[in-house]
Amino acid sequence: EPEVTQTPSHQVTQMGQEVILRCVPISNHLYFYWYRQILGQKVEFLVSFYNNEISEKSEIFDDQFSVERPDGSNFTLKIRSTKLEDSAMYFCAGDRGENYGYTFGSGTRLTVV
Amino acid sequence: AQSVAQPEDQVNVAEGNPLTVKCTYSVSGNPYLFWYVQYPNRGLQFLLKYITGDNLVKGSYGFEAEFNKSQTSFHLKKPSALVSDSALYFCAVRDQSGGYQKVTFGIGTKLQVIP
Repeated sequence: EPEVTQTPSHQVTQMGQEVILRCVPISNHLYFYWYRQILGQKVEFLVSFYNNEISEKSEIFDDQFSVERPDGSNFTLKIRSTKLEDSAMYFCAGDRGENYGYTFGSGTRLTVV
Repeated sequence: AQSVAQPEDQVNVAEGNPLTVKCTYSVSGNPYLFWYVQYPNRGLQFLLKYITGDNLVKGSYGFEAEFNKSQTSFHLKKPSALVSDSALYFCAVRDQSGGYQKVTFGIGTKLQVIP
């Protein structure tokens, strides 16, 4: 069964540093998303991406965040200057359309120290 | 705006007993409804979805859910719980109206199946 692949599985970074989280979606997916989850709690929407542009973003997704899909394959989330409160699990997801469920990656655990 | 409520932080059930994890939703139009499961230190796995049609939908691992439009509910059920069902369960909704919408998740319910 096709999978969404996320790398790295765990990243530790110092406050103020830039991080890039990577995702390889399933090839026939059209819509891509980033969500985050703090301490196994609520799954929070960050951003959705369709047709090479952001279609929606949440209040969390401020100017420190950006996404891109430069080569039609990898889908990346960049945090320019990390804060302690950015520590969370970050999940990439994709789907083929609104009547399909998401397929999630296994997540990247980001720890900001 | 769309939202999901999972009123129970935790549900405890004895192995072999039926289980129910509750979910209610709010949308402007008609809903797409989903259940996901998360095992410790893992990603979210899709269990089942309601799009249209039969109100009772069946999914993975013997789970099913019943869509009730009048009560705006989509409770997850299983006739006989297994210890391996212990995990975090998320209900999610997507509004069918107003163009393409993201999925909104509930806060999750921890299911503990006691041997």
